[in-house]
Amino acid sequence: ILNVEQSPQSLHVQEGDSTNFTCSFPSSNFYALHWYRWETAKSPEALFVMTLNGDEKKKGRISATLNTKEGYSYLYIKGSQPEDSATYLCAFDPSNDYKLSFGAGTTVTVRA
Amino acid sequence: EAQVTQNPRYLITVTGKKLTVTCSQNMNHEYMSWYRQDPGLGLRQIYYSMNVEVTDKGDVPEGYKVSRKEKRNFPLILESPSPNQTSLYFCASRKGLEAFFGQGTRLTVV
Repeated sequence: ILNVEQSPQSLHVQEGDSTNFTCSFPSSNFYALHWYRWETAKSPEALFVMTLNGDEKKKGRISATLNTKEGYSYLYIKGSQPEDSATYLCAFDPSNDYKLSFGAGTTVTVRA
Repeated sequence: EAQVTQNPRYLITVTGKKLTVTCSQNMNHEYMSWYRQDPGLGLRQIYYSMNVEVTDKGDVPEGYKVSRKEKRNFPLILESPSPNQTSLYFCASRKGLEAFFGQGTRLTVV
């Protein structure tokens, strides 16, 4: 099992504030890094798939960056809203054999 | 609508009573897999299948079986469930870089 770490485990954000959190993964044998958004009782929903060092992706107020050389990715939420409350999962994809190694997730709670 | 469907969504069972959790996808994906999610841990892969009649163990296969007789279906079988298999289970299918997950099955073994 590959070591994928997410920090912090949880965070509380005031509505309107911006926040970010980290996913660390092995820097060797990289193929892709996936970010998912998971709300309780729902399916994890794909946010981004990042494949190139220096990649930056954006979807509305959420964006992500990727550094494959040092093995980390940041997810940013700008101007947090209550609907952003969810657990954000990252998954390391070490080769094109379809096996994903997941971090434990960062649970974001946005307070109105 | 592209989707992965798991059933049941919730299940409480007793130790030793065989059960099957079904998973079906409508996207004609060749690759399917099962994960379990436990508090404080990431999703851990139980079994995966690269195509019909091709299955292999993931990271935590003990106590589970799978079958892949048709491309769309990938059931997870617990022959003799034990309390340490109480968990949230996800089925997923994938093609290329896109992976799709079911809504999860919360299993409690008492």
